Amino acid sequence: EPEVTQTPSHQVTQMGQEVILRCVPISNHLYFYWYRQILGQKVEFLVSFYNNEISEKSEIFDDQFSVERPDGSNFTLKIRSTKLEDSAMYFCASSEGTLSYNEQFFGPGTRLTVL
Amino acid sequence: KNEVEQSPQNLTAQEGEFITINCSYSVGISALHWLQQHPGGGIVSLFMLSSGKKKHGRLIATINIQEKHSSLHVTASHPRDSAVYICAVTRGSRLTFGEGTQLTVNP
Repeated sequence: EPEVTQTPSHQVTQMGQEVILRCVPISNHLYFYWYRQILGQKVEFLVSFYNNEISEKSEIFDDQFSVERPDGSNFTLKIRSTKLEDSAMYFCASSEGTLSYNEQFFGPGTRLTVL
Repeated sequence: KNEVEQSPQNLTAQEGEFITINCSYSVGISALHWLQQHPGGGIVSLFMLSSGKKKHGRLIATINIQEKHSSLHVTASHPRDSAVYICAVTRGSRLTFGEGTQLTVNP
């Protein structure tokens, strides 16, 4: 069964460093998303991406964040200068069509620890 | 106030019991999703619905658009159903999540 994959599973970085989280969405899916979940808190939307551009972003997704689909398979989230409060689980997801009519498939997550 | 409220926050049941988790939302939505998060953190989509009722195995999800309310039922609960169940609503191209309900089913 097709699945969303994410690498790495765990990333440890120093405050101020740049990190890139990688995702491979399901191959025929057109919509891509990033979410984060701070330990003990609810899942929060970061950004949605369609047709090679951002569809929607949350107030969390400031200038420190960027997303890219560098080729036909990968979807990346870059955090330019990490802060302690960026420590969280980051989930990538994809859907075949819009969320009004399609379920979303989640990757296993990348646990980011900022020291 | 959260846009998506779930109750209860925690629920403990005995194996075989019928379980209900409730979700209320305060905004206009185009669809509602029920998700399951396992202890390892992985999230699995259980249902997406915009009206009526859906059933998959021992799980049933209902939604009442007029009352802005949805329920997730687990029939004949089993210890392997132990997980966090999350309600999320679709607004535009984003999901807005509830806090989740921690379900523990004891043998």
